[in-house]
Amino acid sequence: GAVVSQHPSWVICKSGTSVKIECRSLDFQATTMFWYRQFPKQSLMLMATSNEGSKATYEQGVEKDKFLINHASLTLSTLTVTSAHPEDSSFYICSAWLGTSGGLGQYFGPGTRLTVT
Amino acid sequence: QQQVKQSPQSLIVQKGGISIINCAYENTAFDYFPWYQQFPGKGPALLIAIRPDVSEKKEGRFTISFNKSAKQFSLHIMDSQPGDSATYFCAARRHFQGAQKLVFGQGTRLTINP
Repeated sequence: GAVVSQHPSWVICKSGTSVKIECRSLDFQATTMFWYRQFPKQSLMLMATSNEGSKATYEQGVEKDKFLINHASLTLSTLTVTSAHPEDSSFYICSAWLGTSGGLGQYFGPGTRLTVT
Repeated sequence: QQQVKQSPQSLIVQKGGISIINCAYENTAFDYFPWYQQFPGKGPALLIAIRPDVSEKKEGRFTISFNKSAKQFSLHIMDSQPGDSATYFCAARRHFQGAQKLVFGQGTRLTINP
């Protein structure tokens, strides 16, 4: 089963409104989570690293005031797209590292499809 | 130097054939190389991964071959099935400012013809 969940799986919002996406680690604690953005037929682009209890670290070119990240607990990180515009329409995916006896890996959530009209 | 170059961009293989996807990197600081499988509208799923001190890793029909001196690694899918049709991404891990980050290749769209 999935080790990382996201909610909602898809959302449609009007231009100018804000949208919050939740990312949860299931059955494990994640002090660090990652937020990616993916355009159709393109690769994953890392937007930011979410750190529990501290400020997120944003990649170059990502507007931190537009993409607000909060990592309030060891199992929950949220991404809020503020004042969304049609160009923000994309597939947003979160991930977290999980180390188990079977090996180490970065596991991704199922993604959230955002459409801004 | 932070890039991972993946090829081909798309690949069509007949059912039962071998699918081969290649990746190359420059940064010798990368220390972990996973492959992900992604179906349309879904998040990437970790398929198989390898560390640079190993030349080959096999899990079922999936094999990673790793050539450290050439800084290349590849994914081989044996006995390819229509259900393997998906986009595959290679990646490489780097450590930056205390965090482990993945650098992704451009992706390969694999189609297995029945």
